[in-house]
Amino acid sequence: GEDVEQSLFLSVREGDSSVINCTYTDSSSTYLYWYKQEPGAGLQLLTYIFSNMDMKQDQRLTVLLNKKDKHLSLRIADTQTGDSAIYFCAETTFGGYSTLTFGKGTMLLVSP
Amino acid sequence: KAGVTQTPRYLIKTRGQQVTLSCSPISGHRSVSWYQQTPGQGLQFLFEYFSETQRNKGNFPGRFSGRQFSNSRSEMNVSTLELGDSALYLCASSWPGVAENQETQYFGPGTRLLVL
Repeated sequence: GEDVEQSLFLSVREGDSSVINCTYTDSSSTYLYWYKQEPGAGLQLLTYIFSNMDMKQDQRLTVLLNKKDKHLSLRIADTQTGDSAIYFCAETTFGGYSTLTFGKGTMLLVSP
Repeated sequence: KAGVTQTPRYLIKTRGQQVTLSCSPISGHRSVSWYQQTPGQGLQFLFEYFSETQRNKGNFPGRFSGRQFSNSRSEMNVSTLELGDSALYLCASSWPGVAENQETQYFGPGTRLLVL
């Protein structure tokens, strides 16, 4: 079955760049997503990338996709303390009836 | 547009009871999915409804059920609650999403269920 793996924890200083990594196994994955979850809250969609793209940039966020290695990364430029949260990588297959398969999440801690 | 809303936000039940959770999708969205989030298992897919029909179901026992109404609002029900059902239950809506990705899912704040 499909599997999505993420490192569990990342600690950075305010102003630095953060890079959160994710690997997936389903070669038929069509869309790959990054969601953010703050304590006690639901999931906030940050960005997504279509599987035929290599890179997508959205303000401070840059997503890189290496489809050959099934590796996805999220880079947050100029990381702020408000970016401290859990970040989830997720994948879905087109026509998969909106079923997302999630990684376990990466806790990002930003210190001042 | 208003986001996905879920009620109630918090719920405490005892073992053996049943519970019903409600989800109102973003206006115009026709697909509603449910996920269970626990510290041990992470985020797991429960089921998905589209136009009142269940199209997909995750690997959960039959105690977990759901339905969708003609206005796309959805409910999920858990019968004979067990301690292990304590979790954050998240609802997401989609379809149509943004033009380039109809299936983008937008999540509600969740219902936190505690089973004692």
